[in-house]
Amino acid sequence: DTAVSQTPKYLVTQMGNDKSIKCEQNLGHDTMYWYKQDSKKFLKIMFSYNNKELIINETVPNRFSPKSPDKAHLNLHINSLELGDSAVYFCASSQGRPSYEQYFGPGTRLTVT
Amino acid sequence: GQQVMQIPQYQHVQEGEDFTTYCNSSTTLSNIQWYKQRPGGHPVFLIQLVKSGEVKKQKRLTFQFGEAKKNSSLHITATQTTDVGTYFCAVQDDKIIFGKGTRLHILP
Repeated sequence: DTAVSQTPKYLVTQMGNDKSIKCEQNLGHDTMYWYKQDSKKFLKIMFSYNNKELIINETVPNRFSPKSPDKAHLNLHINSLELGDSAVYFCASSQGRPSYEQYFGPGTRLTVT
Repeated sequence: GQQVMQIPQYQHVQEGEDFTTYCNSSTTLSNIQWYKQRPGGHPVFLIQLVKSGEVKKQKRLTFQFGEAKKNSSLHITATQTTDVGTYFCAVQDDKIIFGKGTRLHILP
């Protein structure tokens, strides 16, 4: 009965590879987010979609491309992975545009070697 | 641009002692949220404050929003081991900004 789920939970890959992380929410929310949490635990917004429309696009390398096929799903594709991409990536959702409580997924720990 | 400063970065307290974390903004906020992240876990929403001078309580947790809506605090009375984790404030105006968090360690 998970509210916000992410797959995979762990991802270990080599530099230069391309990988995707998937996120699904069953809360009926219309806004979804991707966050990056680095080793110092700093949590930074990357992207946000509202009703499949990109509404927040922070300064993120264009190797990162989000895709929202529908309101319940938000995927993150990363090309040409670099060591600095190693982090925990959290998906979140909320009802309404940013300013409402967000529900976070369990996170995907990405390790680039 | 908008900045949010959260202090302290770390706090060690004896079990049973009180704990407070503060969040300060350079600009007036429309609202502020607080989240808790347990070690190895994900952020969990605690509360949202909207009104100037607002005070809300959740059991041993007390949240305050400053009169000028530029600062906020989270106070935990008589900490317990279950309070361990990182507490984040978050502001969401035109951008979403999380504070750097306060990591709370409880000494038994």
